[in-house]
Amino acid sequence: DGGITQSPKYLFRKEGQNVTLSCEQNLNHDAMYWYRQDPGQGLRLIYYSQIVNDFQKGDIAEGYSVSREKKESFPLTVTSAQKNPTAFYLCASYGAGTGLSGANVLTFGAGSRLTVL
Amino acid sequence: GQNIDQPTEMTATEGAIVQINCTYQTSGFNGLFWYQQHAGEAPTFLSYNVLDGLEEKGRFSSFLSRSKGYSYLLLKELQMKDSASYLCAVNTGFQKLVFGTGTRLLVSP
Repeated sequence: DGGITQSPKYLFRKEGQNVTLSCEQNLNHDAMYWYRQDPGQGLRLIYYSQIVNDFQKGDIAEGYSVSREKKESFPLTVTSAQKNPTAFYLCASYGAGTGLSGANVLTFGAGSRLTVL
Repeated sequence: GQNIDQPTEMTATEGAIVQINCTYQTSGFNGLFWYQQHAGEAPTFLSYNVLDGLEEKGRFSSFLSRSKGYSYLLLKELQMKDSASYLCAVNTGFQKLVFGTGTRLLVSP
């Protein structure tokens, strides 16, 4: 089945450490995204990539970095420069949805919950 | 900048109808999405509007007026399992999708 796999599901980090969240998709979608969600709030865009080897900053890119070396993969690194990294991180890809003719949809992974100790 | 507004919270009774509004002011517009998100889970796709009018899919319908920068999600015959957050998102162009803050819906018996 096609989908998006995020790992790890839960991650604990000490202050000052960098961590990398993995995101892999087999939907053959060109565009991929990283969003951050804080408790009781909506999704805020961190970075997005429309095509391999290209990516753009979203609304809250400071303290984060990404790479897009392969179409299937869009890892997110949360650096020590991110002042408040504890959050729920969602990866998504955008393209033809399953069961819908001709409509592009945003499909999400299950999310990674990062806690800074 | 991008501005997408939704009510923070709504309550309704099982079996009733509820309408969740979304207004947007964005630098570009290439379609509007509605997603459902249960607590602690990823959002799931509900509907997509790119042209003005009503899209119906079972108990859920979504309406769009591009000239007014306005959309709504209509949920009929509410069930307890519909208690969730409902997220409005706009494709502002070049595949940049921006979300509103979400509306938490509580359905009571």
